[in-house]
Amino acid sequence: AQKITQTQPGMFVQEKEAVTLDCTYDTSDPSYGLFWYKQPSSGEMIFLIYQGSYDQQNATEGRYSLNFQKARKSANLVISASQLGDSAMYFCAMRDSAQGGSEKLVFGKGTKLTVNP
Amino acid sequence: NAGVTQTPKFRVLKTGQSMTLLCAQDMNHEYMYWYRQDPGMGLRLIHYSVGEGTTAKGEVPDGYNVSRLKKQNFLLGLESAAPSQTSVYFCASSYSLLFRDEKLFFGSGTQLSVL
Repeated sequence: AQKITQTQPGMFVQEKEAVTLDCTYDTSDPSYGLFWYKQPSSGEMIFLIYQGSYDQQNATEGRYSLNFQKARKSANLVISASQLGDSAMYFCAMRDSAQGGSEKLVFGKGTKLTVNP
Repeated sequence: NAGVTQTPKFRVLKTGQSMTLLCAQDMNHEYMYWYRQDPGMGLRLIHYSVGEGTTAKGEVPDGYNVSRLKKQNFLLGLESAAPSQTSVYFCASSYSLLFRDEKLFFGSGTQLSVL
């Protein structure tokens, strides 16, 4: 079963508008962490934001915020005031140790965001 | 401060050839990972290591072997390359993932083509 689901292969947004990238997850572990990474066309992986399963408040990092709805098992990334430089692939990931074994990060398939001028 | 360094950056192999990808980190991280990235598939974990001398299988381990003889290095080997192993390979490391917000640091990737 897929643990991280990103249902939007591609998204378009106008510059200066806000955009939400969806992520749902599946785990039986009560303690888990959710991450978002950005991958621009140059290829490097850039950490954006983290949300822990026990965190009471939604995480924020500058223009990035995470809309964490635990009961729905969703961890959507919100980018406010989009910029041209936000055009990239975005990956949702979950720290997973369910079913035993060591902690590791499992990634979704990604969403390609295009910011139009 | 180099962070995570992968070599080589590009490589073309013929089917059946072997090669080793090297990952080196200078952050004294315990955990190291090898992922492959294919279009539409995201990043899939091949193998990982939670410390020197240890390795474990990830989601897609078949056709790959790894070794972690030194804490700072994590090697990914392809004994007999196949076209299905054409991909971009990323190495990553972290101090651990036991601390909830510990993130991965990634190398710049290796583009491998198997003809």
